Amino acid sequence: DTAVSQTPKYLVTQMGNDKSIKCEQNLGHDTMYWYKQDSKKFLKIMFSYNNKELIINETVPNRFSPKSPDKAHLNLHINSLELGDSAVYFCASSQDWGYYEQYFGPGTRLTVT
Amino acid sequence: ELKVEQNPLFLSMQEGKNYTIYCNYSTTSDRLYWYRQDPGKSLESLFVLLSNGAVKQEGRLMASLDTKARLSTLHITAAVHDLSATYFCAAGSNDYKLSFGAGTTVTVRA
Repeated sequence: DTAVSQTPKYLVTQMGNDKSIKCEQNLGHDTMYWYKQDSKKFLKIMFSYNNKELIINETVPNRFSPKSPDKAHLNLHINSLELGDSAVYFCASSQDWGYYEQYFGPGTRLTVT
Repeated sequence: ELKVEQNPLFLSMQEGKNYTIYCNYSTTSDRLYWYRQDPGKSLESLFVLLSNGAVKQEGRLMASLDTKARLSTLHITAAVHDLSATYFCAAGSNDYKLSFGAGTTVTVRA
């Protein structure tokens, strides 16, 4: 019974393509996040939504666009993929905004060739 | 911007011995998290520390928080092979973002 799930797990695509990663949580949480982990394992927040509203939008190229159709889902769409976008993207959720533990999904390994 | 530094970045442990990972953060934070990541896997929450002097223990791992020193430690007692993983600390800033350290890659050898 997966708490935070992501699809796909692996994504290999060519430069210039557009791709989406989907995330779903069944924990009843109000807040969801996207993180990027680079090849050196460094983790950085990209976006956060609370109750479907965008509350964190870090310095991320506008080729990246998150969408939250409802509280349980947060998708990440990436336009015009570049080599530097290759990374592992993690979705996470927490009960609410603020001092709450974040639960991470299994990650999506994106490789841009 | 809240910066988080972990050290060491790599730690080779001998089974049965004790070790400590240090996590320093640059500005005021009243919440500190420790996560474990196995190779190719997701992050697993280990500890949430929300107050000065907080100490939490689970098995061979013990985490503590000193908000005045802006320091958290993760102490490993009598290391075993199963503890081989990368350990991340993350501190929360006033705007509720989590800033992660670079991670400490732990290898436990016989």
